[in-house]
Amino acid sequence: DTGVSQNPRHKITKRGQNVTFRCDPISEHNRLYWYRQTLGQGPEFLTYFQNEAQLEKSRLLSDRFSAERPKGSFSTLEIQRTEQGDSAMYLCASSWTGAGETEAFFGQGTRLTVV
Amino acid sequence: AQKVTQAQTEISVVEKEDVTLDCVYETRDTTYYLFWYKQPPSGELVFLIRRNSFDEQNEISGRYSWNFQKSTSSFNFTITASQVVDSAVYFCALSEAEKAAGNKLTFGGGTRVLVKP
Repeated sequence: DTGVSQNPRHKITKRGQNVTFRCDPISEHNRLYWYRQTLGQGPEFLTYFQNEAQLEKSRLLSDRFSAERPKGSFSTLEIQRTEQGDSAMYLCASSWTGAGETEAFFGQGTRLTVV
Repeated sequence: AQKVTQAQTEISVVEKEDVTLDCVYETRDTTYYLFWYKQPPSGELVFLIRRNSFDEQNEISGRYSWNFQKSTSSFNFTITASQVVDSAVYFCALSEAEKAAGNKLTFGGGTRVLVKP
């Protein structure tokens, strides 16, 4: 396990289409986070999971966005009826929060372009 | 609400010069963590350092050093003897330590560092 893996790396979609991104965290990590980063800005928190439970969602996460982590391993982030304002880099991170807790390790992100 | 401000948007230096990145934060929490991450062109955020609010001791790790001053809510970061490979965007981040959010991070806007040969 070499790190956090995100797929696809790039996605171009037409406005109104649905898209789904996948994140595979570091295998022993119990926390998984999604962030969104627009050009020239810092990442903004979207949501996070502790194992399979989604414990917090940001106000940025409109009802068109849904995230799952069904077995406490990989996670998916779906955006329905995409809008041009959804164009951004979507970053996934994972961490371990038990004894010997770690900082968050980030994947390389999925860059979404809505045309 | 938490807030992190990085006033410098871009810094350009010549190789071997030192570069200091400024970070000012706001939080109502008494316990928190501060981080610096590096984002090279590949896009992946790379963890550099973490400091908790109880420990204001400044340290040096290789070519990296940091200056944490709680009194001024600042957490500045210095790269000594910069190298071309240090060219990247650097983010300062803050997390609450006592809430369930744990490592949920609030990021600053980033400072782009360009090191010229």
